[in-house]
Amino acid sequence: ELKVEQNPLFLSMQEGKNYTIYCNYSTTSDRLYWYRQDPGKSLESLFVLLSNGAVKQEGRLMASLDTKARLSTLHITAAVHDLSATYFCAVDMMEYGNKLVFGAGTILRVKS
Amino acid sequence: NAGVTQTPKFRILKIGQSMTLQCTQDMNHNYMYWYRQDPGMGLKLIYYSVGAGITDKGEVPNGYNVSRSTTEDFPLRLELAAPSQTSVYFCASSYSSYQPQHFGDGTRLSIL
Repeated sequence: ELKVEQNPLFLSMQEGKNYTIYCNYSTTSDRLYWYRQDPGKSLESLFVLLSNGAVKQEGRLMASLDTKARLSTLHITAAVHDLSATYFCAVDMMEYGNKLVFGAGTILRVKS
Repeated sequence: NAGVTQTPKFRILKIGQSMTLQCTQDMNHNYMYWYRQDPGMGLKLIYYSVGAGITDKGEVPNGYNVSRSTTEDFPLRLELAAPSQTSVYFCASSYSSYQPQHFGDGTRLSIL
């Protein structure tokens, strides 16, 4: 069974702190996506990681991909309240026809 | 540029009724997708299409049907609605399987 596991599922952190969200997946893939979802809203693309060792950064967020370990990380630096949202990773299961399988999401709450 | 447009935004159905969720995109994307998102969960793929006239099943296709007669439109049909189909439905599109998916605002569907 194809699995994409995120942890933690809920993260409450203080402004200014650093933290990492982890995304593990169970099959070979070299394409991984990170999305953000605000409450009651649609999903917004954050990062596209297309190869082993890929690293992308945007503002206080940095994503990386290790295809050998089947692991992606989303690192948050000096968190601010505006980063409060749910973050999803999604893995492209290429052997199954390029279908995305989503993790359950990490709810991030940044407290002032 | 409207992106991905879904209608309706909200709907309440009675058990056994049928309805069609509409999705249209104006980005000339080849790939289109339908997902459902249950509370506190990630997205699950219902059906997808890689071009006009081509559709394929995702993880959870039972109880749904789709068609893709044009590049722009990808309607999702629910036949004989059941309470288990209460969910938020997202339509998405992408230019290719390497590109991030662009999501519509979602349709919140309740079946009572």
